[in-house]
Amino acid sequence: GAVVSQHPSRVICKSGTSVKIECRSLDFQATTMFWYRQFPKQSLMLMATSNEGSKATYEQGVEKDKFLINHASLTLSTLTVTSAHPEDSSFYICSAISQGPVGYEQYFGPGTRLTVT
Amino acid sequence: GQNIDQPTEMTATEGAIVQINCTYQTSGFNGLFWYQQHAGEAPTFLSYNVLDGLEEKGRFSSFLSRSKGYSYLLLKELQMKDSASYLCAVNPGGGNKLTFGTGTQLKVEL
Repeated sequence: GAVVSQHPSRVICKSGTSVKIECRSLDFQATTMFWYRQFPKQSLMLMATSNEGSKATYEQGVEKDKFLINHASLTLSTLTVTSAHPEDSSFYICSAISQGPVGYEQYFGPGTRLTVT
Repeated sequence: GQNIDQPTEMTATEGAIVQINCTYQTSGFNGLFWYQQHAGEAPTFLSYNVLDGLEEKGRFSSFLSRSKGYSYLLLKELQMKDSASYLCAVNPGGGNKLTFGTGTQLKVEL
């Protein structure tokens, strides 16, 4: 089956620093990946669509200069949280599109818990 | 805009049946997904409906009525491990983006 990994699984950083989160499709190629953010007891909020070889498409209200997305290959997308602040502390989840039993499905990574102190 | 509503919390007894409802109002419709998410983990795919009717998959079934903008997820023979958040998500069309509902936290008790 389609497997998506994320690294790191947990990260703690100081306010003002930058953090990079990697999302990899392990056994398939993904031209499109999505980045979500999830606050405690809330649902997933789509941040941006990452397209291989082109610029990411950001959802309304998401600062593209703060959340840098690079989709340099068909198996890797990275999200860099720049100048992190405590309010950026959240669970970040990526997903990748692959052909599944019911058509194109989103396969989710295990998530990255970011804590900004 | 897109609007997807689910109950916030539900409680059910082990061995029982529970139905989790989802209503949606979206700019378009190209399929509805149900995901299960345990705390601190990524969502896992449960079901997909694009046509009206019931899709059955073991202990889990999902129903869709496009005219009513309504779906439900039915869980039978509940087990303690079914305690999780259940997310309803709609593909409004024009790509593979999904819009998620707020999620329903299900607690299964003895």
